[in-house]
Amino acid sequence: EIVLTQSPGTLSLSPGERATLSCRASQSVTSNYLAWYQQKPGQAPRLLIYAASSRASGIPDRFSGSGSGTDFTLTISRLEPEDFAVYFCQQYGSSLTWTFGQGTKVEIK
Amino acid sequence: EVQLVQSGAEVKKPGESLKISCKGSGYSFKTYWIGWVRQMPGKGLEWMGIIYPGDSDTRYSPSFQGQVTISVDKSISTTYLQWSSLQASDTAIYYCARPNGDSLFHWYFDLWGRGTLVTVSS
Repeated sequence: EIVLTQSPGTLSLSPGERATLSCRASQSVTSNYLAWYQQKPGQAPRLLIYAASSRASGIPDRFSGSGSGTDFTLTISRLEPEDFAVYFCQQYGSSLTWTFGQGTKVEIK
Repeated sequence: EVQLVQSGAEVKKPGESLKISCKGSGYSFKTYWIGWVRQMPGKGLEWMGIIYPGDSDTRYSPSFQGQVTISVDKSISTTYLQWSSLQASDTAIYYCARPNGDSLFHWYFDLWGRGTLVTVSS
């Protein structure tokens, strides 16, 4: 099973700042099959990014994904008030053994 | 509107059985796999299993094989997650979610239900 480790656990930033979230895999993720989700309190996760760098439908372009192999990054170029949330990564490179990271909380400084 | 609508919160005692549901609408339910994801209190996400409504083909995460049963009634576009004997450790939010992607069984989740909170306590 591929273990995903997200860092930092919590990121304290101000609106307008840039957020950089890391997701590291215990082994290489096939075809860069990595997704990112946003989850706000009391809500279901929302897909942001798939295939490491493709934005899902309706996702603002301030969200971008990058990386390959074992190291992936989600960048929020300028934080809006609605972006303060928890972010999870998920690998789906291993057939039917998909795993998620433990999450990074982006909080208002 | 494309959506997944889940059944309401449940409070159960250890040893009781439970079946929760998720109804899809706004898309061709029979032709998309659909799955379940667990989120324990304050924790991350865990994929549990998926089912294909067209023929009820079901695949489980190794961690959940034998622990739960996933089923579907395609005539009413509804999938179910079932326990025969709940434990306190089953306390969690359970999301149904639609997998998607270009390659078979290499999928992310592009549509989520709002979740069903299951509380198991004596």
